[in-house]
Amino acid sequence: QLQLQESGPGLVKPSETLSLTCTVSGDSISTTDYFWTWIRQPPGKGFEWLGTIYFSGSKNYNPSLQSRITMSVDTSKNQFSLRLTSVTAADTAVYFCARQRRGWDDLHVWGQGTTVTVSS
Amino acid sequence: QSVLTQPPSVSGAPGQRVTISCTGKSSNIGAGHNVHWYQQIPGTAPKLLIYGGSIRPSGVPDRFSGSKSGSSASLAITGLQPDDEADYYCQSYDSSLSAYVFGTGTRVTVL
Repeated sequence: QLQLQESGPGLVKPSETLSLTCTVSGDSISTTDYFWTWIRQPPGKGFEWLGTIYFSGSKNYNPSLQSRITMSVDTSKNQFSLRLTSVTAADTAVYFCARQRRGWDDLHVWGQGTTVTVSS
Repeated sequence: QSVLTQPPSVSGAPGQRVTISCTGKSSNIGAGHNVHWYQQIPGTAPKLLIYGGSIRPSGVPDRFSGSKSGSSASLAITGLQPDDEADYYCQSYDSSLSAYVFGTGTRVTVL
């Protein structure tokens, strides 16, 4: 059974870098049928797509975050990661990782989410 | 950024039918990009409910159905049950933004 688990600091100071990792279990991240995606949900609000990465390293980022976001994949650990630089309070959110199906582009499996608060 | 518009809330009595609209434009739903629907019980991760506009993943009851017309999509829930109380979101891709986009979300309340 496929499972995704986000991990990383729950508190980040303003202007610093947010780093999260998503560990995939139950299937290989090196599958040609899926992309791996980060989404966030600020408190009481809707969702924002952050970016998507393929096991080969090919990536697509939300243009609104292009200058601050970096995603990477580690196939040996079956993990993919998110880095967001120069964070502000507006980056406070629940961060989800998810598996996205090629072709349909739906997010068919999600991690449970991890809360990241930006505060000094 | 929420570029797909949904009603903030809908409600219905147990057993009734409710529908949730998702209004986009020519750069997303109207451009033919896939529309998907998710159910989120507050405090939990979203669950895929409908993909490709109208296809139910295995395990999703047939009380849930989706449709699409022009630049809009709809989710219908028939035989409303207390467990259906949740937030519902649509999702598509926007060619102008070069980004996957979500709806504003709709809270379903079972009276």
